[in-house]
Amino acid sequence: AQSVSQHNHHVILSEAASLELGCNYSYGGTVNLFWYVQYPGQHLQLLLKYFSGDPLVKGIKGFEAEFIKSKFSFNLRKPSVQWSDTAEYFCAVTSSGGYQKVTFGTGTKLQVIP
Amino acid sequence: DAMVIQNPRYQVTQFGKPVTLSCSQTLNHNVMYWYQQKSSQAPKLLFHYYDKDFNNEADTPDNFQSRRPNTSFCFLDIRSPGLGDAAMYLCATSGRTISSETQYFGPGTRLLVL
Repeated sequence: AQSVSQHNHHVILSEAASLELGCNYSYGGTVNLFWYVQYPGQHLQLLLKYFSGDPLVKGIKGFEAEFIKSKFSFNLRKPSVQWSDTAEYFCAVTSSGGYQKVTFGTGTKLQVIP
Repeated sequence: DAMVIQNPRYQVTQFGKPVTLSCSQTLNHNVMYWYQQKSSQAPKLLFHYYDKDFNNEADTPDNFQSRRPNTSFCFLDIRSPGLGDAAMYLCATSGRTISSETQYFGPGTRLLVL
């Protein structure tokens, strides 16, 4: 069975600081990887996803993530965070070729201080 | 321009009293999902519909049922809610069930069981 680990449960940063949120997955086969974001009072929405090709994926609002197969990782990065990035971030995985059962991590709450 | 709508946003029920949560979508997507998310935990898939085909997750309790009368609507029925069923319930849709597909989430219904 696949699983996802997000080691940082709560991260606090000042504006303009750089961000890296860790995500590791456990699955022996080929995977598709996602980062979803939930802003306060809003619904979960896709930030970016990887399913093939360039392992460096760029998403909305200046976010990017790098798939490192050898490390089973898909860390989320942003060079300079803004107060509006305050949200909860979920890493998720599906097994490639399988049906769309998403396994989510437990989420990381990011708080950006002005 | 809401795409996945969940009503109500908050639902209070009594222990053992049946409750129904509703979800509607304007995306005309084939697939609709129900997730349960408890505090500080990852969203957990309960079941999904591909068109009218119902797919239950193996560990979803029998207490949880679902109906999809048409493409746009899907309901989650909890036959006899227990205190442990208090959670956020998320509805999501996708166009297909392939593993790289993005899911679109509603805002969720927070269920409180007294």
